[in-house]
Amino acid sequence: SQTIHQWPATLVQPVGSPLSLECTVEGTSNPNLYWYRQAAGRGLQLLFYSVGIGQISSEVPQNLSASRPQDRQFILSSKKLLLSDSGFYLCAWTTGGGSRGAFFGQGTRLTVV
Amino acid sequence: GENVEQHPSTLSVQEGDSAVIKCTYSDSASNYFPWYKQELGKGPQLIIDIRSNVGEKKDQRIAVTLNKTAKHFSLHITETQPEDSAVYFCAAPRLGGGADGLTFGKGTHLIIQP
Repeated sequence: SQTIHQWPATLVQPVGSPLSLECTVEGTSNPNLYWYRQAAGRGLQLLFYSVGIGQISSEVPQNLSASRPQDRQFILSSKKLLLSDSGFYLCAWTTGGGSRGAFFGQGTRLTVV
Repeated sequence: GENVEQHPSTLSVQEGDSAVIKCTYSDSASNYFPWYKQELGKGPQLIIDIRSNVGEKKDQRIAVTLNKTAKHFSLHITETQPEDSAVYFCAAPRLGGGADGLTFGKGTHLIIQP
């Protein structure tokens, strides 16, 4: 069966420090991968998605970037964190070939201080 | 792109009663509508979904209905139990289909009163 791993679970970082969040998927090949952010409150906002190695689509201009160095690995990064980057970051995957539900990781709670 | 509206934002029901959460969408090309349950501190979990070629789908105590003409879909939970307390999200394909991700409603905090 497929599983998705996301780490770390919680992270406290000072303003101006770099960020690297990692997500890996097991049990499937060539998944579509997504990074969402959930602000306090509840809404989920799509940040990046990827349909293949090295292919990244950005949905929201911001202080973040994403990379997909391997088929089942998706990384969210920042060179210099801002206070406004605080939030709950969620990685998700789907199989290709049309609309279908995404399966989420357990999330990373990022607090920028 | 798709726009999804979800109501109510908070719903409190007595244990054993039914709960209904409603969503509307804007893109008539959307063909897939999932529902997610999110417990505190965890990622959303897919609980049920429906495709545009059917009007209703059931899975034990939960069901989803879809009205394509009116562009709305609803989640129904019957015989609610304390473990149903969570935040529920509806979603629709962000750009009508494909790998472009989902647009989510703002969520409904469901509270089951004992």
